[in-house]
Amino acid sequence: SAVISQKPSRDICQRGTSLTIQCQVDSQVTMMFWYRQQPGQSLTLIATANQGSEATYESGFVIDKFPISRPNLTFSTLTVSNMSPEDSSIYLCSANTGVHEQYFGPGTRLTVT
Amino acid sequence: GQNIDQPTEMTATEGAIVQINCTYQTSGFNGLFWYQQHAGEAPTFLSYNVLDGLEEKGRFSSFLSRSKGYSYLLLKELQMKDSASYLCAVLNAGNMLTFGGGTRLMVKP
Repeated sequence: SAVISQKPSRDICQRGTSLTIQCQVDSQVTMMFWYRQQPGQSLTLIATANQGSEATYESGFVIDKFPISRPNLTFSTLTVSNMSPEDSSIYLCSANTGVHEQYFGPGTRLTVT
Repeated sequence: GQNIDQPTEMTATEGAIVQINCTYQTSGFNGLFWYQQHAGEAPTFLSYNVLDGLEEKGRFSSFLSRSKGYSYLLLKELQMKDSASYLCAVLNAGNMLTFGGGTRLMVKP
């Protein structure tokens, strides 16, 4: 198994600012992912964070809005840029420790005012 | 593309059995997961099926039929603490998870 931590756990931000969310895994993992979960809804994959190369974004998500870093096999960051109230959501980091072992961090609850 | 369907809400009685269904259409299949998510918390892993059949783990069982694109999660001897959302997710050939909309289960006394 893997233990995944995220910082911050929650934040309230003003429109137009940016927030960087950090994700730390307690072991080296091949694949790390970022998801968004809007209130009352399921998880939507934002992107796959690739170590040593650019992230792979899903349809509807772009690098300028959600830049991602993956400097090593245990750490990744997601930045939510130029925020608007529509970005209010829970952002979850996830990691694969094996083919059928995917674990989630506790999430970052973001409110944009 | 990928399409994963599950009921939005279900209600069941404490002590009873409930079955949550999930149907999927995906390009590439590398397994199906069930997660439990309590309000305000992260999803926690319940089960993984990649071969047809039933996997039993305590009060929870999960079934998969790949030919039918169908899975279900069976919860026995329901407890109040089982009230949560249950998420069906399919792992595609690229090892990326796509989630269904989730089923909110309410267990009543």
